[in-house]
Amino acid sequence: KQEVTQIPAALSVPEGENLVLNCSFTDSAIYNLQWFRQDPGKGLTSLLLIQSSQREQTSGRLNASLDKSSGRSTLYIAASQPGDSATYLCAVNNYGQNFVFGPGTRLSVLP
Amino acid sequence: NAGVTQTPKFRVLKTGQSMTLLCAQDMNHEYMYWYRQDPGMGLRLIHYSVGEGTTAKGEVPDGYNVSRLKKQNFLLGLESAAPSQTSVYFCASSYSTLAGGQGTQYFGPGTRLLVL
Repeated sequence: KQEVTQIPAALSVPEGENLVLNCSFTDSAIYNLQWFRQDPGKGLTSLLLIQSSQREQTSGRLNASLDKSSGRSTLYIAASQPGDSATYLCAVNNYGQNFVFGPGTRLSVLP
Repeated sequence: NAGVTQTPKFRVLKTGQSMTLLCAQDMNHEYMYWYRQDPGMGLRLIHYSVGEGTTAKGEVPDGYNVSRLKKQNFLLGLESAAPSQTSVYFCASSYSTLAGGQGTQYFGPGTRLLVL
């Protein structure tokens, strides 16, 4: 059974810092992996989807990498801003299975 | 495109009452899902559908029923609500990839349900 963990559970950084969020999964035979952000009281917003054949995906200041062999994905946020404050979740999909979500990392970017 | 919409946004029920949550998507997606999100428990899959007329159980299906009579709609029913069903409910949809797998998931804004 696929299990997904995210470390740290919470992170607080000053504005302008570059930061890395981690996602680990136990079954490396994944089909794809998706990163989301969730603002308080809101739904999940898709940030990036990485297919199993890809090593990384980029969107603006966000870069997600995937290392299947080690069961890890990282979300790199460059030049963080207060508007980046949110909970970030990763979700892992094995082919023929449903997405399994991690518990999330709560990010606070301080002005 | 409205994306994924959910109605209602908020509802209060008494124990034993029934209700239906409606999810609609306008992206012609094959897959649709119902999740619940609880503090400390994360997102858990209740039921899902791989196409019109099909439904399947997820991780926590007990106490819920679903129907997908039209491709764009996915209904979640609570026949006899219990306080343990107090939660935030999210609907999501995703396209089918060329390989038949699940693509990017798009989420609705959520329904907050309080069962007294």
